[in-house]
Amino acid sequence: AQSVAQPEDQVNVAEGNPLTVKCTYSVSGNPYLFWYVQYPNRGLQFLLKYITGDNLVKGSYGFEAEFNKSQTSFHLKKPSALVSDSALYFCAVRDISGYSTLTFGKGTMLLVSP
Amino acid sequence: EAQVTQNPRYLITVTGKKLTVTCSQNMNHEYMSWYRQDPGLGLRQIYYSMNVEVTDKGDVPEGYKVSRKEKRNFPLILESPSPNQTSLYFCASSLTQMNTEAFFGQGTRLTVV
Repeated sequence: AQSVAQPEDQVNVAEGNPLTVKCTYSVSGNPYLFWYVQYPNRGLQFLLKYITGDNLVKGSYGFEAEFNKSQTSFHLKKPSALVSDSALYFCAVRDISGYSTLTFGKGTMLLVSP
Repeated sequence: EAQVTQNPRYLITVTGKKLTVTCSQNMNHEYMSWYRQDPGLGLRQIYYSMNVEVTDKGDVPEGYKVSRKEKRNFPLILESPSPNQTSLYFCASSLTQMNTEAFFGQGTRLTVV
């Protein structure tokens, strides 16, 4: 069975500082990996994905994520946080071998202070 | 504008009273799914559909039904709602099941009393 772990319920960072939101995954084959963001009272919005190729993936709003196969991780990063980045972030994984569903982590709340 | 539209946004109902939450997408996507979001549990998939007349159970299908008679619509049906189905529900669609990103509706907050 596939799974996603987001070990931090909340991440606090000051505006202008770099941020990292952690994600590790488990699949039997190779993964498709996604990050989504949820703002209050809104649905989830796609940020970025890793399918194949370059391990560093760039996405929307200045976010990027690094795929590390040996550590089975896909951490979300941004060099300089904005207060407007404060939101709930979800990592998700799907096994590329066969037809599997998309499994989400429990989410990490990012709070950026002015 | 590309979008996934859910209705209603908010619903309070009583135990046992059948209800339907509608979901419609205008992107001609093949794949649609329903999730519920609960605090500390993240999103869990209820049902999904790979195309018209093709549906299958997700991780938490008990107490729910779906249908996919048209490509654009994927309603979620609760035949006899119970309080443990109080949750925030999201419909999502994507071009295919595999490596394409999902588009989410704005959510339906359901309270069953």
